[in-house]
Amino acid sequence: KAGVTQTPRYLIKTRGQQVTLSCSPISGHRSVSWYQQTPGQGLQFLFEYFSETQRNKGNFPGRFSGRQFSNSRSEMNVSTLELGDSALYLCASNERDHRETQYFGPGTRLLVL
Amino acid sequence: AQKITQTQPGMFVQEKEAVTLDCTYDTSDQSYGLFWYKQPSSGEMIFLIYQGSYDEQNATEGRYSLNFQKARKSANLVISASQLGDSAMYFCAMREGMGTGRRALTFGSGTRLQVQP
Repeated sequence: KAGVTQTPRYLIKTRGQQVTLSCSPISGHRSVSWYQQTPGQGLQFLFEYFSETQRNKGNFPGRFSGRQFSNSRSEMNVSTLELGDSALYLCASNERDHRETQYFGPGTRLLVL
Repeated sequence: AQKITQTQPGMFVQEKEAVTLDCTYDTSDQSYGLFWYKQPSSGEMIFLIYQGSYDEQNATEGRYSLNFQKARKSANLVISASQLGDSAMYFCAMREGMGTGRRALTFGSGTRLQVQP
């Protein structure tokens, strides 16, 4: 089975711009979660989508949004980028068993200048 | 209060030796899951091992085992026979409310393990 894929892998933007990141989960997984990883704050949960619905949301401003499509692919969008949004954005898809283990993609490294 | 605490920012171990990475957690939930992930410099998080709060046996996955002490709220990762490829960041994570549809993981700050030849 193919793993979680994320595109693009690297991105450079300037302050004020917006960005869209894409995630394709493992085939058969219907739940996708997004995390932000920074040196200062570590790994923080952004939001989770299941069957095209946002089920959980972390403590991030409204500039961070996401959606999920009927094929379970997910996108996250960050509007009005700030320098502090520079981070590794990780997407994970959830195994459909009692553990619901999250399997992560390679991440998108976003640099905001 | 921190939900997941990893007190060792960095660890060194000789190749072929065993190493223990510490993790303590804080939750009032009765049903929760504990996960360990490895993050090489490439950035991808690799799932290593899982321990459920109701599991009576300590989890094992190949060279990885989890020393689960529920009363002390600790879930230490033991890597046996370390290999050079084990050099990476290691994260302990917890999911509270297992089976409730809450899937968010809370991560610790990580431990950087360096395996020396």
